[in-house]
Amino acid sequence: RKEVEQDPGPFNVPEGATVAFNCTYSNSASQSFFWYRQDCRKEPKLLMSVYSSGNEDGRFTAQLNRASQYISLLIRDSKLSDSATYLCVVNLVTSGSARQLTFGSGTQLTVLP
Amino acid sequence: DAGITQSPRHKVTETGTPVTLRCHQTENHRYMYWYRQDPGHGLRLIHYSYGVKDTDKGEVSDGYSVSRSKTEDFLLTLESATSSQTSVYFCAITTSGPSSYNEQFFGPGTRLTVL
Repeated sequence: RKEVEQDPGPFNVPEGATVAFNCTYSNSASQSFFWYRQDCRKEPKLLMSVYSSGNEDGRFTAQLNRASQYISLLIRDSKLSDSATYLCVVNLVTSGSARQLTFGSGTQLTVLP
Repeated sequence: DAGITQSPRHKVTETGTPVTLRCHQTENHRYMYWYRQDPGHGLRLIHYSYGVKDTDKGEVSDGYSVSRSKTEDFLLTLESATSSQTSVYFCAITTSGPSSYNEQFFGPGTRLTVL
């Protein structure tokens, strides 16, 4: 079983739609959670850190459910510029690996005009 | 912009040749990382460094070595490149501080092709 699992998609949605991505992680000791976006042939860029109570940044809402080991990302009013691959990322803090991240394989989103 | 550059940005080499990739940062971050990204696998950690001359192995370290002789530079070396090492290589740094959640920020990547 992969440590971080995501639905690879692709998700094809019309402009203005709401789309949600889900991610599950296997290690209950994981402590920090993130969503990154990656455009084609570019580096991953931090989209949001995910806080315990859930957090919102404009059209983006991230939620964490520790009991179910589940993270979600909701995008409202999708724009063409939201087309990208979204990576779910988990930080497991252990001795000697305090700052290592584990990446999901990503979910591809295409927003259609 | 985390002030990270990678060189070269593109490289084509032949099997069996040594290759060194360079990651350079300008903001004095302690932690630096090398990842490779391949279709279907996502980003996988090769090696990381937690200070000058302090390095450790990641998930896919076989066939790779690293060196960090000064804070700003982290080098990744393929001693004898193989076709399976054809990939996109990303360098990353971690911000630090009491409010940090250990977010990582990435360089632009190096596309390596081993023929």
